[in-house]
Amino acid sequence: QSALTQPASVSGSPGQSITISCTGTSGDVGSYNVVSWYQQHPGKVPKLMIFDVSKRPSGVSDRFSGSKSGNTASLTISGLQADDEADYYCCSYAGASTYVFGTATKVTVL
Amino acid sequence: QVQLVQSGAEVKKPGASVKVSCKASGYFFTDYALHWVRQAPGQRLEWMGWIYVGNGNTKYSERFHDRVTITRDTSASTAYMELSRLRSEDTAVYYCARNQEYHMDVWGKGTTVTVSS
Repeated sequence: QSALTQPASVSGSPGQSITISCTGTSGDVGSYNVVSWYQQHPGKVPKLMIFDVSKRPSGVSDRFSGSKSGNTASLTISGLQADDEADYYCCSYAGASTYVFGTATKVTVL
Repeated sequence: QVQLVQSGAEVKKPGASVKVSCKASGYFFTDYALHWVRQAPGQRLEWMGWIYVGNGNTKYSERFHDRVTITRDTSASTAYMELSRLRSEDTAVYYCARNQEYHMDVWGKGTTVTVSS
């Protein structure tokens, strides 16, 4: 199972919006509306930010939103803040009870 | 509150095995599956496998299927991940994470496994 493809890095200025893509195949992202996104600050535990493509867990800012089109899911962070600087991973169910993570995107706040 | 508490850091020699534990609290242990995810230094998250705690059924990533075994002890509310035939590339932080309908909502703090001769 190959990793989902994410851009290595995305940057933006405070207050701007950025979008991170996550490209899979018809066997994972394209077939299931269960893409999740995780934020990981350096040396910290991953934190769930989005599940089921576009749902936010309780306590996650509404500045984070998700969407999907075909084999590509996206995470948008609006009103970028310094604390958003972290690594972000997408994850999808890939059928046959397996999961696959993305390649990771480092978000830099300029 | 819901917590997953993992065992402490391990140092192993190449060829050895390691067994990492993940003790759950704050919820009914058998109601949720548990994933194991690893992260090598500076690398991405990598899904290793999971266990349906209620019936003990498991599914492993093809990448690890011949070296990983995930088990659970329901009386102790604890899951275990054993990785055999260790090599230096297995040096990583190993996380357990609770499954909540196709996503991972609660994570353990991770267990560092170092493989070195």
